[in-house]
Amino acid sequence: SQQGEEDPQALSIQEGENATMNCSYKTSINNLQWYRQNSGRGLVHLILIRSNEREKHSGRLRVTLDTSKKSSSLLITASRAADTASYFCATEPNNDMRFGAGTRLTVKP
Amino acid sequence: GAVVSQHPSWVICKSGTSVKIECRSLDFQATTMFWYRQFPKQSLMLMATSNEGSKATYEQGVEKDKFLINHASLTLSTLTVTSAHPEDSSFYICSAREGLGAIQYFGAGTRLSVL
Repeated sequence: SQQGEEDPQALSIQEGENATMNCSYKTSINNLQWYRQNSGRGLVHLILIRSNEREKHSGRLRVTLDTSKKSSSLLITASRAADTASYFCATEPNNDMRFGAGTRLTVKP
Repeated sequence: GAVVSQHPSWVICKSGTSVKIECRSLDFQATTMFWYRQFPKQSLMLMATSNEGSKATYEQGVEKDKFLINHASLTLSTLTVTSAHPEDSSFYICSAREGLGAIQYFGAGTRLSVL
């Protein structure tokens, strides 16, 4: 079963704009991870944030975590057409990774 | 980052035949491997978790006799779809990790089409 939900389900923006995706989860966690998937391909790990962290940066990515609300957000700044992909959050409630429903991001050139 | 190789990337088979998908960790020893199934425009659904040398743990609703998983070594796990039917057509993705709590690395996926 899936662990959580993401919103929006789909997001379309212009190149250069920022994209924000949100994720909610159900159980307590040790960490939360974000992955990216290009159409018909495997997943690429983007960033891991631990439960005792509130914010983490990696290049143009910024992830926040609010364990009291059981939610996380992924911000992609200065988006590029190459950022077009599906983005998933994932947690490991029983040491097996569960994914959210994903957000399909389209960045128009 | 670590590399997970999944083969084949695409397979077409006739209904009733069996298909084997391989998942290899190329530069690390994978104590645990995972198999997921993904339908178009949907998220990944965990099918089973396999630890090297022991039987796989299947998720509820996943038929053990239908989806045979073998994790005979620390670098190789296989998923065999037995007596495939058109409804088994899907995108299957494996992942592997080196230890508990470690990052999972994913294969590129296998698109299975059953005619």
